[in-house]
Amino acid sequence: GENVEQHPSTLSVQEGDSAVIKCTYSDSASNYFPWYKQELGKRPQLIIDIRSNVGEKKDQRIAVTLNKTAKHFSLHITETQPEDSAVYFCAGSSNTGKLIFGQGTTLQVKP
Amino acid sequence: DSGVTQTPKHLITATGQRVTLRCSPRSGDLSVYWYQQSLDQGLQFLIQYYNGEERAKGNILERFSAQQFPDLHSELNLSSLELGDSALYFCASSVATGNNSPLHFGNGTRLTVT
Repeated sequence: GENVEQHPSTLSVQEGDSAVIKCTYSDSASNYFPWYKQELGKRPQLIIDIRSNVGEKKDQRIAVTLNKTAKHFSLHITETQPEDSAVYFCAGSSNTGKLIFGQGTTLQVKP
Repeated sequence: DSGVTQTPKHLITATGQRVTLRCSPRSGDLSVYWYQQSLDQGLQFLIQYYNGEERAKGNILERFSAQQFPDLHSELNLSSLELGDSALYFCASSVATGNNSPLHFGNGTRLTVT
């Protein structure tokens, strides 16, 4: 069935360091992979997404890479700042459009 | 502001009761999705509607039901509530069905069952 595995579940880095979160998916029909950031008590917000015809996408300090053969995609945050602290969710799409989310990664950026 | 409106923001009710959560999608969006997020848990997909019709079903309990109306707003009905139903319920919308449309989330309804 459809499944998205995400790790690590928690990640603590020093301000200025990089953070990497990895996800794998099971549904070979998935071709859209968004990443959401959720601050405590708030709604998930889309921060970046990638489609299967692209291997890498970058937006300022955030980048995502996709390896369709390995069914693996990753989020990279460089020069982390305390305001990057949040829970990050990866997701894979299904043919209906619904998103299957990973379990989430709690990122803590220490000043 | 995502443009997705959910009401109410908070709901406190007792076990055995029934509640209705409401969602208005972004203007122009035809697909509506419901997700459940329990404390310290991920986003569990419940159900999806597209232009009034059920499109996909996830781990939705039989005590829960939903519908999408002609004006595209959606309601999630939760009945015979149990303590374990306490959670944040999110609605999201997208412009179409198909697997490359971003989902935009509302601010959620926090349900507390006592």
